[in-house]
Amino acid sequence: AQTVTQSQPEMSVQEAETVTLSCTYDTSESNYYLFWYKQPPSRQMILVIRQEAYKQQNATENRFSVNFQKAAKSFSLKISDSQLGDTAMYFCAFMKVIGAGNNRKLIWGLGTSLAVNP
Amino acid sequence: KAGVTQTPRYLIKTRGQQVTLSCSPISGHRSVSWYQQTPGQGLQFLFEYFSETQRNKGNFPGRFSGRQFSNSRSEMNVSTLELGDSALYLCASSLGGTGGFQETQYFGPGTRLLVL
Repeated sequence: AQTVTQSQPEMSVQEAETVTLSCTYDTSESNYYLFWYKQPPSRQMILVIRQEAYKQQNATENRFSVNFQKAAKSFSLKISDSQLGDTAMYFCAFMKVIGAGNNRKLIWGLGTSLAVNP
Repeated sequence: KAGVTQTPRYLIKTRGQQVTLSCSPISGHRSVSWYQQTPGQGLQFLFEYFSETQRNKGNFPGRFSGRQFSNSRSEMNVSTLELGDSALYLCASSLGGTGGFQETQYFGPGTRLLVL
C-alpha cells in the first residue's frame, strides 16, 4: 500500500529564516503527483505547491520550493524568508492512480506543525 | 471565481441521528472529493464524485454515502451517527480531467461535526 511519511510532527523557525519540511513516500508506480498543502489555524486547506513525478525540475512557487528526489522517494518543502503567516500545519500528499481511467485518490501524511516565531 | 463552499460550518448531533453536509465546488469543476480529518487518523479519503457518478471510494462503512447533482454540487450523508464520527469533514473540488493541473484539488473550509 502507498504511504506518505512526515517524520517531523512539529517544527519552529524564526521569522525571515529558511526551514525545510521532509516527506517520504512509498510507491511502485512511476508516474504520480505530489502536493504540499498548508492548513492555517483557520482550518482552510490551501495548496502550496505541486510536482509531477515525470518532471525532473523541482517546482517553485515564490518563497516555496521542493527538493524532489524520485529515486529516494523524497519530496521536501523549503520555505525561504519565513513569515508569521506561514504558521500552519503542512501536509504532504501523494496522488495515486487507481486502476485504469481517471480514478484518483490523495494519500496524506499526518502533517508537520510549523510555528514561525517573531 | 468563488472558492469551494461548505455548509453548515458547525454541527452538533447525538448518537443515532443522521446528518447531511453540502459542498459547492468551484465553478467549472466537475469532481468533488470528501475527506474526514481527525487528530489521530489525519485525512482519510471518503469518496469522489464526477459527473454525478461515484468513481472512487475509500474504506468507510456504508453509513457514509454521498451524491452529486447535475450542477456538480455534492452532498454527504452519515446515518446512525457514532461518537467516532466527530471530525472535520472537508470537501475538495477539481476540474476532474487528467494531468496535474486538472487533478489538483481545492478545499473548502470544512464542516466541524460533533457527535454527543
